[in-house]
Amino acid sequence: QLQLQESGPGLVKPSETLSLTCTVSGGSISSAYYYWGWIRQTPGKGLEWIGSIYSSGTTYYNSSLKSRVTISVDTSENQFSLKLSSVTAADTGLYYCARHDRQYGSGTYFSYWGQGTLVTVSS
Amino acid sequence: DIVMTQSPDSLAVSLGERATINCRSSQSVLHSSNNKNYLAWYQHKPGQPPKLLIYWASTRESGVPDRFSGSGSGTDFTLTISSLQAEDVAVYYCQQYYSPPHNFGQGTKLEIK
Repeated sequence: QLQLQESGPGLVKPSETLSLTCTVSGGSISSAYYYWGWIRQTPGKGLEWIGSIYSSGTTYYNSSLKSRVTISVDTSENQFSLKLSSVTAADTGLYYCARHDRQYGSGTYFSYWGQGTLVTVSS
Repeated sequence: DIVMTQSPDSLAVSLGERATINCRSSQSVLHSSNNKNYLAWYQHKPGQPPKLLIYWASTRESGVPDRFSGSGSGTDFTLTISSLQAEDVAVYYCQQYYSPPHNFGQGTKLEIK
C-alpha cells in the first residue's frame, strides 16, 4: 500500500524559508507513471496546488508561487522536497504531498495523499 | 489560469435523498486530442487528506461506492450522491488538470438536514 508522509518544522519565522520533505513508501518515486506534487490548504485560498516534479527532476509550478518555490527529488531516498522562501503569515496552512498519475504526458488527478502537516508562519 | 467555481457553497440534504454539487470551469477542460474531460472530484473530511472520488469527470475511483457519480462536459460538471449516507458529510472539491495551475474549486460543504 502506497504511503506518503510529510515531515518538517511546524513553525517558520516570517521572511524565512519553509522546508518540507515527503517520504514515499510502498512504491517507487522513480516510476514512469507518476508525478509527485505539493498542495496546501490555507484559510484564505482553500486548496491550492503548489507544484509538481517528475522522477527525472522536471518540475512545474503554480505561477502565483513560482518565484518562491523549489521542488526537488531524491530518488535514492524515495523522497521529494518543497522549499518556499520569504514566507509570510499568508503561507500558514496545512501542506500535503500527493501522487498524481501521469497520463497523456502530463500530471492529472491526485490519487494518493499524505496526511498533511501544519505549518505556521509566526515570529 | 482556469478558475473553478462550485455551487452551492453549502448544502443540507436528508439521509437517503439525492445530493447534487455543481462545478463550472472558466474555460473548457475537454481535450480534443483524446475527448476526455480533465476534471476530478474529491471528498475531504476533517483530520483526513482529500480522497479522490471521480476522475476524467465520470470515472469512479476503485473502492468508491456507486452512489457517487460524475457527469458533464466542457465547462459544466456535476457530482451526484444518489442516496446520502451519514458518512458522506464532508467538503467536496472539483479540480481541473487540463492545464497548470491545477486549480481546485472553493469547496461545497455537505451536511445532513
